[in-house]
Amino acid sequence: DAKTTQPNSMESNEEEPVHLPCNHSTISGTDYIHWYRQLPSQGPEYVIHGLTSNVNNRMASLAIAEDRKSSTLILHRATLRDAAVYYCILINAGGTSYGKLTFGQGTILTVHP
Amino acid sequence: DTAVSQTPKYLVTQMGNDKSIKCEQNLGHDTMYWYKQDSKKFLKIMFSYNNKELIINETVPNRFSPKSPDKAHLNLHINSLELGDSAVYFCASSQEFPRGRETQYFGPGTRLLVL
Repeated sequence: DAKTTQPNSMESNEEEPVHLPCNHSTISGTDYIHWYRQLPSQGPEYVIHGLTSNVNNRMASLAIAEDRKSSTLILHRATLRDAAVYYCILINAGGTSYGKLTFGQGTILTVHP
Repeated sequence: DTAVSQTPKYLVTQMGNDKSIKCEQNLGHDTMYWYKQDSKKFLKIMFSYNNKELIINETVPNRFSPKSPDKAHLNLHINSLELGDSAVYFCASSQEFPRGRETQYFGPGTRLLVL
């Protein structure tokens, strides 16, 4: 399975944009890039996903590098409620690994008031 | 309305006991999962069921037995509990068996402590 690498932690101030990077240099052409987050004492929550093109939704934006070896989750205006562990996950659309979310250690995002 | 619910929320028990955790989803999804989050916060998939059929069975001791009476329920029974089973167990569901695009919806977790 292709692996992802994320910084252990990042900090931001409230109402500022946050860019959370993820490296996935061994990504295959059929791997989707998913982002989930886990707020304290809660289950993981879907944030966004993409394959090749940049994606926007009400929660965040996902910028995918042209070679797909890295991606960035963008929170446009961080709030205190965005403090969580953010996971970048690759999900393969075929083969025996499809369906499995393989969580790494994620990035702990701290948001300061 | 809770999409994915688990009971109990907390479970404290003695080593050697047998316990069950229940999971229900009201999203009409076909696929359900069990994940384990250990003390180091790593989340690992344990099982996946699609239309009541076992699809994914990771390297999990056979003391753990999932049961899916219908598409909306996936229960986890654990025999002969050990100290190392202490963890948070999350149930999740997705509309269909994931082929890259599907979103998984997670329950709130069951915190199991084995004494």
